Amino acid sequence: DAKTTQPPSMDCAEGRAANLPCNHSTISGNEYVYWYRQIHSQGPQYIIHGLKNNETNEMASLIITEDRKSSTLILPHATLRDTAVYYCIAQTGTASKLTFGTGTRLQVTL
Amino acid sequence: DTGVSQDPRHKITKRGQNVTFRCDPISEHNRLYWYRQTLGQGPEFLTYFQNEAQLEKSRLLSDRFSAERPKGSFSTLEIQRTEQGDSAMYLCASSWEGSSYGYTFGSGTRLTVV
Repeated sequence: DAKTTQPPSMDCAEGRAANLPCNHSTISGNEYVYWYRQIHSQGPQYIIHGLKNNETNEMASLIITEDRKSSTLILPHATLRDTAVYYCIAQTGTASKLTFGTGTRLQVTL
Repeated sequence: DTGVSQDPRHKITKRGQNVTFRCDPISEHNRLYWYRQTLGQGPEFLTYFQNEAQLEKSRLLSDRFSAERPKGSFSTLEIQRTEQGDSAMYLCASSWEGSSYGYTFGSGTRLTVV
């Protein structure tokens, strides 16, 4: 699995877009970019994943650069409930395990 | 509720005792994973099953740890002769082999060894 690099923490004002970056410069062609988040005292929650194209679902948007070496998770209108640790993971779609780093701690404030 | 359920949510045990945790995955999922998470760290992989077969074990899984998934449905994780260093959140997740969609995690079992 490719190594990913994320900032340790970020702040965002409620109602504003939260843009969480991730670097994965060694990603291989068959590896997806996955995003999970973990709210305090809960298990990680799958958010979104993508291979090459940008993706959007009801939770977030994922923007992947053309060279696939980095990506950005966008929460369009952050709320206090989005305060969590966000993990970016690069791996093949059928890989046997996820490898988590330490993620980005997003704090959404009033 | 069709999510992944784990039992118990919390467990306090004395050092040296044995503990067992249970995980019930999403019924359509044939893969089941166990992870451990300590404070301030991301979850660490312990082991995974495909149906009833245990296909991979991490070096973190010492001889005191054993996991089973006898009929390819629920799974148990047992820790024998618990040590204070075993205090952690134990997470279970499930997925469908061949699907690129993400794993579904349970809420975890928090173990405190005193």
